[in-house]
Amino acid sequence: NAGVTQTPKFRILKIGQSMTLQCAQDMNHNYMYWYRQDPGMGLKLIYYSVGAGITDKGEVPNGYNVSRSTTEDFPLRLELAAPSQTSVYFCASSYLPLDSDTQYFGPGTRLTVL
Amino acid sequence: AQSVTQLDSHVSVSEGTPVLLRCNYSSSYSPSLFWYVQHPNKGLQLLLKYTSAATLVKGINGFEAEFKKSETSFHLTKPSAHMSDAAEYFCVVSVRGGGYNKLIFGAGTRLAVHP
Repeated sequence: NAGVTQTPKFRILKIGQSMTLQCAQDMNHNYMYWYRQDPGMGLKLIYYSVGAGITDKGEVPNGYNVSRSTTEDFPLRLELAAPSQTSVYFCASSYLPLDSDTQYFGPGTRLTVL
Repeated sequence: AQSVTQLDSHVSVSEGTPVLLRCNYSSSYSPSLFWYVQHPNKGLQLLLKYTSAATLVKGINGFEAEFKKSETSFHLTKPSAHMSDAAEYFCVVSVRGGGYNKLIFGAGTRLAVHP
């Protein structure tokens, strides 16, 4: 199994540009999550999904959108990029809800908005 | 409100000496607690988790943590550090609210291991 994969690894955007961060998992997990990690901070939840077609907001959803058309894929869309969105983005998945099962993390996407 | 505090932002040890990474939590009910490790340019990996079973939890790579309710602590220890243990460590508490169970991450402790 590849586990959780993320593309791209690095990206530089100009203010106002848009992009999609890709995330895929091959473990048939129902639950998927997007986090951002700012320097010197822990991770904060942006969006999560409990299955195909079902998504909901986390702690810091503003400026982002998600979709979940398949069990495997959970892309994160940034519209009108802002410098405040400079961060490292992690995708994760789990078979069960957060507090009863292990979350598996991808390697991250490092995004810089200039 | 639920929260987690990692008491040291940086810890430096010599190879072969014990490791102690400190974590205190705040929760209005019995929490689920986790330690995750993040090696440079890698994703997070679960070291161990506490879910109201045994208070001493053993994890991977020789790490263990003890849940102490009276002290609201969940410190991570290892008897003998290895160079490969150098990484960032996150203490995490799981809480319920807002329609989903969410993880609250501490700010992290960077562990350096010297020869």
